[in-house]
Amino acid sequence: DVKVTQSSRYLVKRTGEKVFLECVQDMDHENMFWYRQDPGLGLRLIYFSYDVKMKEKGDIPEGYSVSREKKERFSLILESASTNQTSMYLCASSSPDRGMNTEAFFGQGTRLTVV
Amino acid sequence: LAKTTQPISMDSYEGQEVNITCSHNNIATNDYITWYQQFPSQGPRFIIQGYKTKVTNEVASLFIPADRKSSTLSLPRVSLSDTAVYYCLVGDNNAGNMLTFGGGTRLMVKP
Repeated sequence: DVKVTQSSRYLVKRTGEKVFLECVQDMDHENMFWYRQDPGLGLRLIYFSYDVKMKEKGDIPEGYSVSREKKERFSLILESASTNQTSMYLCASSSPDRGMNTEAFFGQGTRLTVV
Repeated sequence: LAKTTQPISMDSYEGQEVNITCSHNNIATNDYITWYQQFPSQGPRFIIQGYKTKVTNEVASLFIPADRKSSTLSLPRVSLSDTAVYYCLVGDNNAGNMLTFGGGTRLMVKP
C-alpha cells in the first residue's frame, strides 16, 4: 500500500520558533510537494522538488524553505513561525511518466497552530 | 501552467448523477486532465485522469471534447459519502512540472 507520511497530525508552536514539518514517501517518487490549505482558498503550492537537492518555488514560498537531502524525504521549514502561518499543511508525491500522466499521493496533513 | 475554472459549489440528492464541468482554455498539447476528491481533514485523492474523449473507471467518468478546452467529471448515482470538494487540474507530469490546484467545487449531496 503506497504511503505518504507526515510526521505530525497536529502541532502547536510559538511565534518566532523554527518549525520543521517532515514528509516521507515509500514509493521512490521523484516529485514531492508542499501545500497549505486555508478555508476558502483551496490548496496553494508552497514548494516543489523534482529530485534530490532540487527545489522550485510555488505560489506562496515567502516565509518558508525546504530541504530534500534524500529522495524519500521532503522537509518544510518555517524559519520564524508567525500566526499567519497557522494552517493545514499537506505533502504529496508523484512520479513523472513521460507520455502518460500519473497521480499524486497525499499525506494526511499537519494542522499547525502558531500562538 | 493552464488555469482551470470550476463552479464553487453544487448541490445534489442521493441517487442522482452529478456532472461537474471544468474550463481550461489554455490547455497545452502535452497536458493531461486530472480530477481529485478531498474529504474534510484529509489529503486529496486521485479519482480519474484523461487526455481526450472519454475515460471511465469504477468511480467516475471523464468526458473531454475534441478541443480539450473543458472537461466534465460525471459521478453516477451519488450517495451522501460523495460529499466532498472536487478539484480539476491540468498539467504535464514530466519531471519539473508542478501540480497546481484551483479552488475546487464543493459538492453537497443531500438525502
